[in-house]
Amino acid sequence: GQNIDQPTEMTATEGAIVQINCTYQTSGFNGLFWYQQHAGEAPTFLSYNVLDGLEEKGRFSSFLSRSKGYSYLLLKELQMKDSASYLCAHPSNQAGTALIFGKGTTLSVSS
Amino acid sequence: DAGVTQSPTHLIKTRGQQVTLRCSPKSGHDTVSWYQQALGQGPQFIFQYYEEEERQRGNFPDRFSGHQFPNYSSELNVNALLLGDSALYLCASSLPGTTGELFFGEGSRLTVL
Repeated sequence: GQNIDQPTEMTATEGAIVQINCTYQTSGFNGLFWYQQHAGEAPTFLSYNVLDGLEEKGRFSSFLSRSKGYSYLLLKELQMKDSASYLCAHPSNQAGTALIFGKGTTLSVSS
Repeated sequence: DAGVTQSPTHLIKTRGQQVTLRCSPKSGHDTVSWYQQALGQGPQFIFQYYEEEERQRGNFPDRFSGHQFPNYSSELNVNALLLGDSALYLCASSLPGTTGELFFGEGSRLTVL
């Protein structure tokens, strides 16, 4: 994840909206992924953007600008259960389907 | 439908020892990837197996090796363990020919003393 940058920690309150940014060095790969990882658990898939623009999925939305090497994950109507680490990832530029992950953003939601 | 299963869940080894971790992919998945996740970090790609061969490899030394069996299950072997190898080792499987959505197991927590 050397070429993926995301904030280390963020805090927010229940019911609020939070935006988690991710920047990366563009190098010919397609698409950008977001995964959620609760403490002590496995990462789970949230979203995949292959084209520029906003993808909405319930309370979660993800945006991608390939030319700017920029993505964000938008979480609306925050709930306590949204407290987790959010991982930004892109495919490696080799053949195959491996993902390169950022270090993750730990989101803490308080009441 | 069982998801990705890994064993053991926790283990403790001493420096210089060898360890083998095991993974069974989600039903219908033929590609298995291994990741190392240190505390407070994102998963780092170790290698990926497809059709019983290593297809991709990340920046890990030769002490890290693997195998995939005809039933698509996989093993990760680490030789000459170092303190720095202490981490959560995650196995992920994916559908044939797809880019991206990975299904992770709960991981094997390795502690090297």
